[in-house]
Amino acid sequence: NAGVTQTPKFQVLKTGQSMTLQCAQDMNHEYMSWYRQDPGMGLRLIHYSVGAGITDQGEVPNGYNVSRSTTEDFPLRLLSAAPSQTSVYFCASSYSRQGANYGYTFGSGTRLTVV
Amino acid sequence: ILNVEQSPQSLHVQEGDSTNFTCSFPSSNFYALHWYRWETAKSPEALFVMTLNGDEKKKGRISATLNTKEGYSYLYIKGSQPEDSATYLCAFRAAGAGSYQLTFGKGTKLSVIP
Repeated sequence: NAGVTQTPKFQVLKTGQSMTLQCAQDMNHEYMSWYRQDPGMGLRLIHYSVGAGITDQGEVPNGYNVSRSTTEDFPLRLLSAAPSQTSVYFCASSYSRQGANYGYTFGSGTRLTVV
Repeated sequence: ILNVEQSPQSLHVQEGDSTNFTCSFPSSNFYALHWYRWETAKSPEALFVMTLNGDEKKKGRISATLNTKEGYSYLYIKGSQPEDSATYLCAFRAAGAGSYQLTFGKGTKLSVIP
């Protein structure tokens, strides 16, 4: 049981480049989400999904796109990287069944630097 | 944007000391309160998910209480050990159809000095 797998672990981009951060989970979790972690800030929600084909914006969605074509995968796309997107990105997943309360399972994070 | 506050921001204790920290969250529209432990260079791991006013959860030397009416939760660590050094995050989940996302506090960083 691999849990939540994020790739890559580290990435350096030039301003204006695009890239996709990958997130996959093998726990059949309905709910998946992307957070960013910046110094002095809490984890901030970028986008989330409650199932295949369903996505929605979180607190800081600008500059990012997501899609959910399968239950397992939830990639995060940076359309045109900016230095303000330098951050550590975490993917997290959870069951989201009615009335259920489960903790999130987090991936190991992707440290992204935009120069 | 929901306001989830944690205090103190950081804490240094001696090995063997007991300690506690606070998470405050909106007292209205409550659904659940999560606690996570986040060790350096690792990813956050769930400690507790609390849903009912007056809930008390315990895992080893770590326990948590919940007061939804006044909007706070306490995390207690009894007899702190160096391996307890980590950042402890709380996260609030609001009630509402389809509301699954968590709003995280900034965390309390605990350092246990041997």
